[in-house]
Amino acid sequence: EAGVVQSPRYKIIEKKQPVAFWCNPISGHNTLYWYLQNLGQGPELLIRYENEEAVDDSQLPKDRFSAERLKGVDSTLKIQPAELGDSAVYLCASSSGLGDTEAFFGQGTRLTVV
Amino acid sequence: AQSVTQPDIHITVSEGASLELRCNYSYGATPYLFWYVQSPGQGLQLLLKYFSGDTLVQGIKGFEAEFKRSQSSFNLRKPSVHWSDAAEYFCAVAPHASGGSYIPTFGRGTSLIVHP
Repeated sequence: EAGVVQSPRYKIIEKKQPVAFWCNPISGHNTLYWYLQNLGQGPELLIRYENEEAVDDSQLPKDRFSAERLKGVDSTLKIQPAELGDSAVYLCASSSGLGDTEAFFGQGTRLTVV
Repeated sequence: AQSVTQPDIHITVSEGASLELRCNYSYGATPYLFWYVQSPGQGLQLLLKYFSGDTLVQGIKGFEAEFKRSQSSFNLRKPSVHWSDAAEYFCAVAPHASGGSYIPTFGRGTSLIVHP
């Protein structure tokens, strides 16, 4: 069974440019998470989807960040415009959403803003 | 809201020695508890989880953890560390979900260094 797939693995952009990250969760998983991981820190939740609905996006900086999961399967996280402080690893995770199951993580996208 | 404290930023052990990584949580009831491991440049891999039942939980790669309600702790242990165990370890907590999903909240992580 394929795991959570993220692309790209690495991205280097200049500040003020837009950037997008893509995530394909495990097949059949209704819950999808986007986490931000700064260097030397644990992951912090940005947004959680139940199918196509964003049910928890209170930590998403909505002035520059946006996310979508149009068909309730794969998801895109966008930053426009990027700032130097956005340099981090962006992790996607999914779970079945049926209670006693863990979240499975992708390998992440490492963003460097120069 | 729940929170997780991993008091040790770095832990150094010799190969073959025993290991204990500490995790304390703050939550009003018994939560879901997890330990994940992250190798450089990789995502998080689940080592073990506690949802209910036996408070001593066995995981992959020879790891175990014990849930102690009285101490609000979920410490990770391994009797004999291998060089390949060098990585970042994250403890996470989530409120119980009633037939729905939950949000894991992570600690800041403990970096394990293994000396030969």
